Amino acid sequence: KAGVTQTPRYLIKTRGQQVTLSCSPISGHRSVSWYQQTPGQGLQFLFEYFSETQRNKGNFPGRFSGRQFSNSRSEMNVSTLELGDSALYLCASSLEGTAPDTQYFGPGTRLTVL
Amino acid sequence: DQQVKQNSPSLSVQEGRISILNCDYTNSMFDYFLWYKKYPAEGPTFLISISSIKDKNEDGRFTVFLNKSAKHLSLHIVPSQPGDSAVYFCAASRLSGNTPLVFGKGTRLSVIA
Repeated sequence: KAGVTQTPRYLIKTRGQQVTLSCSPISGHRSVSWYQQTPGQGLQFLFEYFSETQRNKGNFPGRFSGRQFSNSRSEMNVSTLELGDSALYLCASSLEGTAPDTQYFGPGTRLTVL
Repeated sequence: DQQVKQNSPSLSVQEGRISILNCDYTNSMFDYFLWYKKYPAEGPTFLISISSIKDKNEDGRFTVFLNKSAKHLSLHIVPSQPGDSAVYFCAASRLSGNTPLVFGKGTRLSVIA
């Protein structure tokens, strides 16, 4: 079974721009979660989508948004980029998104904001 | 407020010895705990989990211990191997409902040959 894929792997943007990241979950997985990892901050939860609906949301500003398509693929968008948005963005998929489902992570998208 | 804390940013251990990584949590509603391992340029991979009905779970060289009264869990790796060098994240959740995973900041383990 193919793992979680994320595109692009690397991205460089400038302040004020917007960016869209894509995540394709493992086949059959209906839940997709997004996390932001910055140096020294661990993984911080952004949001979770299940069956095209946002089911959970972390404590991030409204500039961060996402969506999920009928095939469970998900995108996240960050508008009006700030320097502090530079981070590794990880998505994870699981069957139903509830414990004890295991979340499987993609390799991440490294976003650099200049 | 940090609900899951890994107070040691880094740990160095000799090959063949035991590695002990620690994690504390503050939210008493958490009843499911996981450890993930992350290599550079890769996403985290699931290592081992434990629910609050148990105090120990073992999988090969990896054992997780849970002390509910102290709100503390630890991951033991025996024997440690150079390939275990990675960042280890502790995470917590709840078995009921749909609770996102809450991660600690990670501990970088270096196993020295």
